Amino acid sequence: DSGVTQTPKHLITATGQRVTLRCSPRSGDLSVYWYQQSLDQGLQFLIQYYNGEERAKGNILERFSAQQFPDLHSELNLSSLELGDSALYFCASGRGVPTGELFFGEGSRLTVL
Amino acid sequence: DQQVKQNSPSLSVQEGRISILNCDYTNSMFDYFLWYKKYPAEGPTFLISISSIKDKNEDGRFTVFLNKSAKHLSLHIVPSQPGDSAVYFCAARRAETSGSRLTFGEGTQLTVNP
Repeated sequence: DSGVTQTPKHLITATGQRVTLRCSPRSGDLSVYWYQQSLDQGLQFLIQYYNGEERAKGNILERFSAQQFPDLHSELNLSSLELGDSALYFCASGRGVPTGELFFGEGSRLTVL
Repeated sequence: DQQVKQNSPSLSVQEGRISILNCDYTNSMFDYFLWYKKYPAEGPTFLISISSIKDKNEDGRFTVFLNKSAKHLSLHIVPSQPGDSAVYFCAARRAETSGSRLTFGEGTQLTVNP
């Protein structure tokens, strides 16, 4: 158990719809990272938040947005969904220690039909 | 721009033998390299890391080697066990002020046969 909690674990929706994925980081971790893993691909960095503020952006589509709340949990909002958005979405948290280690949740598997 | 690459999608070895997983990178600003292991239906879990100022780090059966001049790192697992069968991701970090995003390779599926 990494200490990072993600909900829901599975989600099936239709094209054009909007979904929200939720992440609770490990206790004490201020940074939250969102990654996307499409079929047979590596993990693609989407966005990072640190203590409520956006800190870094990766290959995140304009249809996607995220935020980190005062209690440090984070939500990733995906809108106008397309078939190609079907993927595993991972949340990770970390403390920025020298080793750079991140702790990952089990992921949310999104299927867009 | 794929800054971290794992060129072997899969690797199969016999139990008890050595597994060698390879990773190449292009960004010379990376200062830390990590290996993660991922089982199906689970999130990646940290395995071992190495700083860019070192060329070797060992933890039990796992050893990571870094060749900075070649921008290449490898993970050695000796002896390999069936429970090591998983997808292994190489990752690299460029230090940020407040946390550290990781850039991942595509992963290598390791299968250890009994």
